[in-house]
This record gives sequence, C-alpha cells and structure tokens, in this order.
Amino acid sequence: NAGVTQTPKFQVLKTGQSMTLQCAQDMNHNSMYWYRQDPGMGLRLIYYSASEGTTDKGEVPNGYNVSRLNKREFSLRLESAAPSQTSVYFCASRTGRANQPQHFGDGTRLSIL
Amino acid sequence: GQQLNQSPQSMFIQEGEDVSMNCTSSSIFNTWLWYKQDPGEGPVLLIALYKAGELTSNGRLTAQFGITRKDSFLNISASIPSDVGIYFCAGRSGMEAAGNKLTFGGGTRVLVKP
Repeated sequence: NAGVTQTPKFQVLKTGQSMTLQCAQDMNHNSMYWYRQDPGMGLRLIYYSASEGTTDKGEVPNGYNVSRLNKREFSLRLESAAPSQTSVYFCASRTGRANQPQHFGDGTRLSIL
Repeated sequence: GQQLNQSPQSMFIQEGEDVSMNCTSSSIFNTWLWYKQDPGEGPVLLIALYKAGELTSNGRLTAQFGITRKDSFLNISASIPSDVGIYFCAGRSGMEAAGNKLTFGGGTRVLVKP
C-alpha cells in the first residue's frame, strides 16, 4: 500500500545548490502534480503532468523544472536554490477517470539557507 | 488566478463540540474536495462533492456543495481529540483536458482547547 512515495523526506541546501525531488506512484495513475505548501497559503501548484509525456506549468513554476520520467515517476528540480523556495513540497497523483480525486505523498521538507 | 477563501483560519475545539468551516470562491467550481492534513503527513481526502446542492456524509463529517457552486462547508459533529489537524478545501473548475488542476484554500487549523 505504498501509494505516492516522495524522497527525500527532509533536505537542507545552501543558496545556489541544485536538487531533485523524487516522486513515484504505484497506482497506475495517469496524472501527477507537484505542489508547495507555505504557512497560511494552502497548497499551490508548481507543475503538473496530465499524462505520461506531457508537463505543464501551474500557478508558481518559476525556479523549477520537472520531468515525467515514465508513468510512475515525476521529479521536481531546483537548478539554483533560493531561500524563497524553503517550503514543504507535495507530490500527488490521480487516475485519468472522471470524478477521481488526487492522492498525496507525505511531503519533502526543504530548507534553503 | 482563482481564489479560495477558507474560514476560520483556526479554531479551538472541546471534545463533544460540533465545528464548522467553509470555503468561498470568486468563481464557479464543478468539484469540491475536503482534505485533512496531520503533522508530518500529506493531505488525505475526507469528502468529495461533484454536484451543486450535494450533501455528503462520511461518519461524523458532513459537507455540502453550495447551490451557487461558489461555496462549500464542512461540519464535524461531536469532535474528538484526533480531529485536530489542518483541514483544506479544494475546488476544480476545469475539464479533464486541463489536467484536473485544483485550487486550495488556506486551511483551517483545528486545535484542542487548553
């Protein structure tokens, strides 16, 4: 019953370092999403992949890139980390069928000094 | 972009009390979802609403999809200590082709009265 698995769970970076956050789902879902969560602001969509082979920008894509490596995996990359990217990052996935909700991983807590 | 206003931002509960929270939007949604997040974990779906006027229960939880399609509320009856956490509403307005993107409210933090 793994569901959505995110690695790592915690990471501290220095400004300017690069980092890739990994996400994998074992539910054969078509769509995958990356969000960031900041205090009092709910979750904001960074990028999403509606299906394997496609990616699109969400609400706050600047400073990030994504790769939908295959149907299972969707990674988020910070090329040059900035303190403003300190946040909790959540990956989610969803089947492509109508009226099905997104399922979330447990998050990656990222601090940039 | 779309905005979801969720209130209250936080509330204190005493065991046995009923609690309510709501979300309002400046635009129409065709799906409303309510999630709960416990510390150190990701959001977990509580209730999904797909039709205007729909009233759905899940145990002690009841949620409604507003008739105007611009609001939703969540009620928790007879609260217990494990109800503590952050509750998020989320709305979807787009079609499947648009990637099923969700807009989230800012969350309601439910705490236990000291």
